[in-house]
Amino acid sequence: GAVVSQHPSRVICKSGTSVKIECRSLDFQATTMFWYRQFPKQSLMLMATSNEGSKATYEQGVEKDKFLINHASLTLSTLTVTSAHPEDSSFYICSARSLTGLTEAFFGQGTRLTVV
Amino acid sequence: QKEVEQDPGPLSVPEGAIVSLNCTYSNSAFQYFMWYRQYSRKGPELLMYTYSSGNKEDGRFTAQVDKSSKYISLFIRDSQPSDSATYLCAMSGGTGGFKTIFGAGTRLFVKA
Repeated sequence: GAVVSQHPSRVICKSGTSVKIECRSLDFQATTMFWYRQFPKQSLMLMATSNEGSKATYEQGVEKDKFLINHASLTLSTLTVTSAHPEDSSFYICSARSLTGLTEAFFGQGTRLTVV
Repeated sequence: QKEVEQDPGPLSVPEGAIVSLNCTYSNSAFQYFMWYRQYSRKGPELLMYTYSSGNKEDGRFTAQVDKSSKYISLFIRDSQPSDSATYLCAMSGGTGGFKTIFGAGTRLFVKA
């Protein structure tokens, strides 16, 4: 099946710094990518929808200036957590959908962010 | 009321048992119904998907969708310890758009 690669898998950063997470579709062109956040023992919470070449659409309550999303190519989307705080510590997961593919079938491996 | 309701469990069964996992939903417009398996600290992996109502079988897994009752199920036959994971139902489509709505996930433990 299609592969979505997410990097890094784990990152620890200091409060106030920024962290970039990459999401790549390895063998298909991802016209749309989704970014989720998952708290322990909870389901995935959609943060934003990213379409190649256009601005991301953020869900209600998600700060677009804090969570910067860039989808500059059909195979790469990035999420940058700016001025990170300990409450931003979470598991972040991306998923990708191709133009002709099933609605959102492929997920990245996730990134465990810890802000100290 | 949440759009998708799923019992978080945990559900513990002996090896070889038949496992039944279920979700209910409120948006009758959903058209795509998916089941994902998620191991600890990993991204979800698509197990099964169904378009509209009906059954779909893949090896030990069977997915059922009953749109009239807004109820979906995943059955796992001959469960194995390696099936121990969190299972998330998800749905999308129709007037709900292509955004996927996930259930809370059910934690399953299969004991050897």
